[in-house]
Amino acid sequence: DSGVTQTPKHLITATGQRVTLRCSPRSGDLSVYWYQQSLDQGLQFLIQYYNGEERAKGNILERFSAQQFPDLHSELNLSSLELGDSALYFCASSGSLRAEAFFGQGTRLTVV
Amino acid sequence: AQKVTQAQTEISVVEKEDVTLDCVYETRDTTYYLFWYKQPPSGELVFLIRRNSFDEQNEISGRYSWNFQKSTSSFNFTITASQVVDSAVYFCALSEGGSNDYKLSFGAGTTVTVRA
Repeated sequence: DSGVTQTPKHLITATGQRVTLRCSPRSGDLSVYWYQQSLDQGLQFLIQYYNGEERAKGNILERFSAQQFPDLHSELNLSSLELGDSALYFCASSGSLRAEAFFGQGTRLTVV
Repeated sequence: AQKVTQAQTEISVVEKEDVTLDCVYETRDTTYYLFWYKQPPSGELVFLIRRNSFDEQNEISGRYSWNFQKSTSSFNFTITASQVVDSAVYFCALSEGGSNDYKLSFGAGTTVTVRA
């Protein structure tokens, strides 16, 4: 158990809908990362927060947004969903920017 | 440009054979970190090792060993006496210090299948 909790584990939704994925980092970790894993793109970095502030953005679509709350949990919001958004979404956390990141079990999103 | 290349897509071995996974990385930063993660069939990503750019010592942890060579920009991973439980996808990743965010750039992964 990595100590990173992601909910829900599975999500099935229709095209055009909006969903929110939730992540609770390991206790004390300030940095939260979101990654997307798909068959065609592999593991792609989406966005990073550090102590509540956005730190870096990767190939994140404009339809996607995220935030990190004062209690350090993070949410990834995906809107106007398309079939191609179906993927495994991982959250990871680390104690510092240089430390190794520990990953949650992921949320498998299926858009139908 | 691909920062991390794992040239082997799939490797299949019989139990007790050794397996070496290749990883070649590309960076202009002098400070960077290299990682290996394991993704078993259950889907989670499990951290295996982190190595910083200033530490070229090889490392051994049980049946796992890592060979870091800056001269060839490689960070290879060997599983000795493989077991069925080692069947998984293994990812090599790079975290660069220049951007100061240290996000991970992953390779495409190598699927290892260990047959009984």
